[in-house]
Amino acid sequence: KAGVTQTPRYLIKTRGQQVTLSCSPISGHRSVSWYQQTPGQGLQFLFEYFSETQRNKGNFPGRFSGRQFSNSRSEMNVSTLELGDSALYLCASSLYRQGSYNEQFFGPGTRLTVL
Amino acid sequence: DQQVKQNSPSLSVQEGRISILNCDYTNSMFDYFLWYKKYPAEGPTFLISISSIKDKNEDGRFTVFLNKSAKHLSLHIVPSQPGDSAVYFCAASASPYSGGGADGLTFGKGTHLIIQP
Repeated sequence: KAGVTQTPRYLIKTRGQQVTLSCSPISGHRSVSWYQQTPGQGLQFLFEYFSETQRNKGNFPGRFSGRQFSNSRSEMNVSTLELGDSALYLCASSLYRQGSYNEQFFGPGTRLTVL
Repeated sequence: DQQVKQNSPSLSVQEGRISILNCDYTNSMFDYFLWYKKYPAEGPTFLISISSIKDKNEDGRFTVFLNKSAKHLSLHIVPSQPGDSAVYFCAASASPYSGGGADGLTFGKGTHLIIQP
């Protein structure tokens, strides 16, 4: 079974631009979460989508947004990029089983550099 | 305020010996804990998990211990192998419906494990 895929793997943008990152979950996984990893803050939760709806959200400004499509694929968008947005953005998918714990499986990440 | 803490940024262990990675948490609502391993330029790989109804879970060379009263968990790797050299993240969750909850998975900042030959 193919793992979580993320595109692009690397991206360079300048301040003020906007960026869209894409994530394809493991087949059958309906929940997709996004995380930001930086050297100073570590891995921080951005948001989670399930059935095309944002179910949970971390403590990030509104410039960070996402969506999920009917095939469970997800995109995240960052508008008006700032230097501090430079990070590894990780997508994780999990199999939804109500009332049960579900491990999250991560993709390789998209390395975003903002100049 | 860090809710999940890994106080050792790095740990060096000889090949064949036991590696013990520690993690402390402060949020009493956390009831599911996971360990992930990460190599450079790759996403974290799930290793092992434990729910708060247990105090130990084993999977091959990996064992996770949970001490709820101390809000402490540890990952034991026996025996340690060169391929175990990586960054290990401890993560915690408060939701039974997903790998995360209202705050998703809360991660520690990681411990870089170095296995020496």
